[in-house]
Amino acid sequence: AQSVTQPDIHITVSEGASLELRCNYSYGATPYLFWYVQSPGQGLQLLLKYFSGDTLVQGIKGFEAEFKRSQSSFNLRKPSVHWSDAAEYFCAVGARAGGTSYGKLTFGQGTILTVHP
Amino acid sequence: DTAVSQTPKYLVTQMGNDKSIKCEQNLGHDTMYWYKQDSKKFLKIMFSYNNKELIINETVPNRFSPKSPDKAHLNLHINSLELGDSAVYFCASSQVSGGFSEQFFGPGTRLTVL
Repeated sequence: AQSVTQPDIHITVSEGASLELRCNYSYGATPYLFWYVQSPGQGLQLLLKYFSGDTLVQGIKGFEAEFKRSQSSFNLRKPSVHWSDAAEYFCAVGARAGGTSYGKLTFGQGTILTVHP
Repeated sequence: DTAVSQTPKYLVTQMGNDKSIKCEQNLGHDTMYWYKQDSKKFLKIMFSYNNKELIINETVPNRFSPKSPDKAHLNLHINSLELGDSAVYFCASSQVSGGFSEQFFGPGTRLTVL
């Protein structure tokens, strides 16, 4: 069964600083990987995804993530954080159910990002 | 136009009651999902329907019964509510006919059982 670990429960950065949120996954086949963001009281918004191809993927709001198969990682990065980036970030791995295309997402426990002015 | 909508946004009820949460998507997707987010923000899939057919049922108590009248709607009915059912329930949808794809989430329904 697949699993996702986000080692950092809470990260605090200053506005303008760079950011890296860690994500490690466990899955026997080629993974479908996602990063979602959840602002307080809101639903989940997709930031970016990796299905295949270029291992560095660009997303919305200036975020990027790099898939490293050898490290089973899919870390999220942003060169300069804005105060509006404060939210909770979830990494997820998608797996096909029963050899079909019907997939389910398995989420990590989330990383809360606090941004100091 | 909201892509995935849920009603109600908040639901407060007593133990033992029966309640329903509705979900609608206007993205034309063929697959819909229910996820539960517990008090520690842990998200876990409950059900998945593809074209009104149940595909995924993740060891959810029988008190939870999803119903999909058509592929744009997936409702969740919960019988005999318990304190532990308090959580945020998210509906999601995706298009899988062309292969695995990302899921789009609704705003969530916060259920509080007293």
